[in-house]
Amino acid sequence: QQQVKQSPQSLIVQKGGISIINCAYENTAFDYFPWYQQFPGKGPALLIAIRPDVSEKKEGRFTISFNKSAKQFSLHIMDSQPGDSATYFCAASASGGTSYGKLTFGQGTILTVHP
Amino acid sequence: DGGITQSPKYLFRKEGQNVTLSCEQNLNHDAMYWYRQDPGQGLRLIYYSQIVNDFQKGDIAEGYSVSREKKESFPLTVTSAQKNPTAFYLCASITRSGSEKLFFGSGTQLSVL
Repeated sequence: QQQVKQSPQSLIVQKGGISIINCAYENTAFDYFPWYQQFPGKGPALLIAIRPDVSEKKEGRFTISFNKSAKQFSLHIMDSQPGDSATYFCAASASGGTSYGKLTFGQGTILTVHP
Repeated sequence: DGGITQSPKYLFRKEGQNVTLSCEQNLNHDAMYWYRQDPGQGLRLIYYSQIVNDFQKGDIAEGYSVSREKKESFPLTVTSAQKNPTAFYLCASITRSGSEKLFFGSGTQLSVL
């Protein structure tokens, strides 16, 4: 059962533009929502994360927007750069107990930023 | 430098053969995880271990086995029962105190000959 749905599958953006990736989840027990960035042949690395008690979190050019009622969250990359070209994964987990660290991932979005 | 080391980077399996993927961490993390990555499917959890000498099945454990004899090590064996083993395998770890940041290794690409 796919519990986190991510879109689009691929995205092409011009340098300086805004990249937007969306995710939707089903499990209302999820309370931790990270985004991971992965370059070819490497493992994913945590980019930014949010908890449901806030609607937005910003770190540099990266912003997560969170809509608890709609069970949706999105990643915005402002002033996109060619170096941002990578695969981005959203994920979700329920903190505490045996669920600790057990992330459910979206399908991934391949972002290409053209110079 | 602290981190997670996965080896080998590339591995080839013959039909009917068991192969073992190595994962070692020097982050003093309590919990370790194995994920499988297939194109267009994201990452799926195979097995995880939150303490030494204990491990749990994830969502796609069939055809795989693990052990956790030391805190630093969490090897994954892909058995001959796994009929579609070609994938990118990622090991990860996390500490149970403080941050929920999951750290990943650089992965092992397993292919079938």
